Amino acid sequence: DAGVIQSPRHEVTEMGQEVTLRCKPISGHDYLFWYRQTMMRGLELLIYFNNNVPIDDSGMPEDRFSAKMPNASFSTLKIQPSEPRDSAVYFCASSFRVTGELFFGEGSRLTVL
Amino acid sequence: AQSVTQPDIHITVSEGASLELRCNYSYGATPYLFWYVQSPGQGLQLLLKYFSGDTLVQGIKGFEAEFKRSQSSFNLRKPSVHWSDAAEYFCAVGTSGTYKYIFGTGTRLKVLA
Repeated sequence: DAGVIQSPRHEVTEMGQEVTLRCKPISGHDYLFWYRQTMMRGLELLIYFNNNVPIDDSGMPEDRFSAKMPNASFSTLKIQPSEPRDSAVYFCASSFRVTGELFFGEGSRLTVL
Repeated sequence: AQSVTQPDIHITVSEGASLELRCNYSYGATPYLFWYVQSPGQGLQLLLKYFSGDTLVQGIKGFEAEFKRSQSSFNLRKPSVHWSDAAEYFCAVGTSGTYKYIFGTGTRLKVLA
C-alpha cells in the first residue's frame, strides 16, 4: 500500500515567491496533518483536518500560510509570499480515526533564499 | 500546559550494547504517549504507543518503553542495539479526543561498529 505522498521533496525559491506543497494521504484515512520541522523549534503542528474540514489551525504562523483540503485524497499548504524564515521541512501525516498513530510522508524540504 | 522533555540531544552506543532514551512529560491527566523514529531524509515512523493498561509496552524493531506515572517518564529501551538503529528518536504526548500531540526535541542516536 502506498504511504503518505508529498511533493515536491525539495523546493528552492526566492523570497517573495509563492510556494505550494502537496500531500496525498493514505486512502481511507480521515485525519490529515501538516507539521513543520526546524532545528530551532523542532516539530510543530500547523493545522489538521478531519473529513476535509480544518479543525485546528492555531499553529499556522501567520496569514501568509494557508492550507486546503478540497477532497479526501489531496491537500495543499501554501505560503505566499515566502520568507527565508519559512525554510524548513514540512511534513504531512494522516491517520484513521482516533487510533493514535500518525503516518508521515517523507517531507518537503523548503529553502527560501 | 503539556510538555515533553528529552534531556539527551545526542547518545552514542556501541553495537550490541543496551540503550535507554529518556522522556519526561508534564500533563495533569493520564497522557497518550508515543515514540517515533526518524531516519535521515525520512518521515517519522511509530515505534510504540501507550494509552492505558500494561505500563510496559512492546514496539517494533525490538524496542520497548515503560510508563512510570510517579516519575512522569516514558523511557525507550532496547537490550541490544544494531547499527541500523542509528536515527533520531522523538517522544510525543497527546490527550484523548485531540490530535494536538506535543513532540520532544529528539535524541539523535549514533551506533559505533
